[in-house]
Amino acid sequence: AQSVTQPDIHITVSEGASLELRCNYSYGATPYLFWYVQSPGQGLQLLLKYFSGDTLVQGIKGFEAEFKRSQSSFNLRKPSVHWSDAAEYFCAVGAVTGNQFYFGTGTSLTVIP
Amino acid sequence: ETGVTQTPRHLVMGMTNKKSLKCEQHLGHNAMYWYKQSAKKPLELMFVYSLEERVENNSVPSRFSPECPNSSHLFLHLHTLQPEDSALYLCASSPRAGVTDTQYFGPGTRLTVL
Repeated sequence: AQSVTQPDIHITVSEGASLELRCNYSYGATPYLFWYVQSPGQGLQLLLKYFSGDTLVQGIKGFEAEFKRSQSSFNLRKPSVHWSDAAEYFCAVGAVTGNQFYFGTGTSLTVIP
Repeated sequence: ETGVTQTPRHLVMGMTNKKSLKCEQHLGHNAMYWYKQSAKKPLELMFVYSLEERVENNSVPSRFSPECPNSSHLFLHLHTLQPEDSALYLCASSPRAGVTDTQYFGPGTRLTVL
């Protein structure tokens, strides 16, 4: 069965520090992978997506993610976190069959000054 | 108007009430979605509409009834809900139905069932 695991429920980082949010997926075919961000009181916003090609994907707001097929992972990174990055981050897998999306439970990011 | 709007933003209802959630997209998209977001659970895709026709229905209880009168509007009609239905209900739209098109989300309706 398809599933997405985000092992870290909550992460706290200092402003200016680097960030890595983990995502592991289980999917039988080539996955379509996504990272979304949700700020309080708002809907989800797409940060980046991977369908094929270069396994290092650049997104908005300075984020990037790397697809590692051997590890079934799609971790999100940012070299220097800003206070405005504090939010909830969701990883998702898209399944072409059935137009389904499978989301992780999210990682809450706190940024301290 | 920007993007995807949802009304109301907050709703409290009793188990015997009937209410509706409204979603409107101003992006010219042809696909619309309803999601349920519960605390500490993955976001759940409930319904998918493409050109006003329902294309996916993910085993959602019949007390949730979607309606898509045109490609810009999506409703979720609620009746005889249970307390466990309390959640944030998110609407989204995309140019076409399918996993390759970017979805744009509304801010959600926070539903509380008493």
